[in-house]
Amino acid sequence: DTGVSQDPRHKITKRGQNVTFRCDPISEHNRLYWYRQTLGQGPEFLTYFQNEAQLEKSRLLSDRFSAERPKGSFSTLEIQRTEQGDSAMYLCASSFSGQLAGYEQYFGPGTRLTVT
Amino acid sequence: GESVGLHLPTLSVQEGDNSIINCAYSNSASDYFIWYKQESGKGPQFIIDIRSNMDKRQGQRVTVLLNKTVKHLSLQIAATQPGDSAVYFCAEGRAQKLVFGQGTRLTINP
Repeated sequence: DTGVSQDPRHKITKRGQNVTFRCDPISEHNRLYWYRQTLGQGPEFLTYFQNEAQLEKSRLLSDRFSAERPKGSFSTLEIQRTEQGDSAMYLCASSFSGQLAGYEQYFGPGTRLTVT
Repeated sequence: GESVGLHLPTLSVQEGDNSIINCAYSNSASDYFIWYKQESGKGPQFIIDIRSNMDKRQGQRVTVLLNKTVKHLSLQIAATQPGDSAVYFCAEGRAQKLVFGQGTRLTINP
């Protein structure tokens, strides 16, 4: 399978705990994006990386959210001190930037977070 | 407490008919637009995109129309099949950021 992969697929945690999600993009893609999707809504942009540089993070929901892509390959999204309102699907996407690149972002299956 | 999702607009079509899904976007400065299909429990799947300087683009069984005057986007699916059942989202792109619309749930009647 050469698509975007995310781990874990489901996470149940208690309020106040920290959680970390991992995303592995399509191997030749240099851009990586994180989105959040709540029930009945479209995905909401959070942040993105080009290689290891985080170029846009103003949409991260609070200072409890942070993302890294240390080697320009996989990325992690961490939520500290989780709250019930953090319950959502967290989606990762990747794309290629280059002369012949299109606009499409390819999404992974998501990590569903439930905070109890 | 109970979590209740917002009611998605829905479209029901007969198998074999054509489907037209509409979307209004908000920012006239958007550079491009993309249609995504999302099946239950899966991430969004790319269908087709269109640059802001175009008004029509065709793919396999799909056509996207862009009307910048009224900031309207549509997706036409020809000969709708059961496998087309999903939620369809339009997204407007500005730089590297996608802004998604609310989505339309397409159901296929046999």
